[in-house]
Amino acid sequence: DAGVIQSPRHEVTEMGQEVTLRCKPISGHNSLFWYRQTMMRGLELLIYFNNNVPIDDSGMPEDRFSAKMPNASFSTLKIQPSEPRDSAVYFCASSLTISGANVLTFGAGSRLTVL
Amino acid sequence: SQKIEQNSEALNIQEGKTATLTCNYTNYSPAYLQWYRQDPGRGPVFLLLIRENEKEKRKERLKVTFDTTLKQSLFHITASQPADSATYLCALYSSASKIIFGSGTRLSIRP
Repeated sequence: DAGVIQSPRHEVTEMGQEVTLRCKPISGHNSLFWYRQTMMRGLELLIYFNNNVPIDDSGMPEDRFSAKMPNASFSTLKIQPSEPRDSAVYFCASSLTISGANVLTFGAGSRLTVL
Repeated sequence: SQKIEQNSEALNIQEGKTATLTCNYTNYSPAYLQWYRQDPGRGPVFLLLIRENEKEKRKERLKVTFDTTLKQSLFHITASQPADSATYLCALYSSASKIIFGSGTRLSIRP
């Protein structure tokens, strides 16, 4: 298995532009998580899905952020419009629930820079 | 409010010594706790999971303890090596599959 695949790896954009980050989870995993990592705030949970259904989006910072999971093999995180404070590394992780425990497998991350 | 705190931002120790990292939490009752390793430019990688009814878990040179009374987990690396240098993150299972991370401890092992 190729693991969790994220794209793009790097994105540089200007304030006000729309940004779409993509994630392909590991086949067979039933949960998907989006995290954001910055030096100041560490690794923050934005939203997670279970069986393609959003369970908790309380970590999504503002209405500018939205996430979808149209099927078990694809998810997107969209920021519209983007702002400089959105600059961070965005990680997608997937997991399989076994005996009530989720062990996360992370992608390599998408580094976003908003100028 | 709910908090996860890792004792120090950075820890420097000499090769061969035991590294001990601390994770404290408040206002959580996690069913289990996990430790991850993160290298620069990469995503975190799972190391160990310990459940609330377990006191200790081992894997090779790694050992994790979990004290639900103290609300604390300790992560030990014995016979540390320069290759163990990385950031180590603790993560709590909060509720309904929600997994929350601490801010991490950057461990440096000097030869």
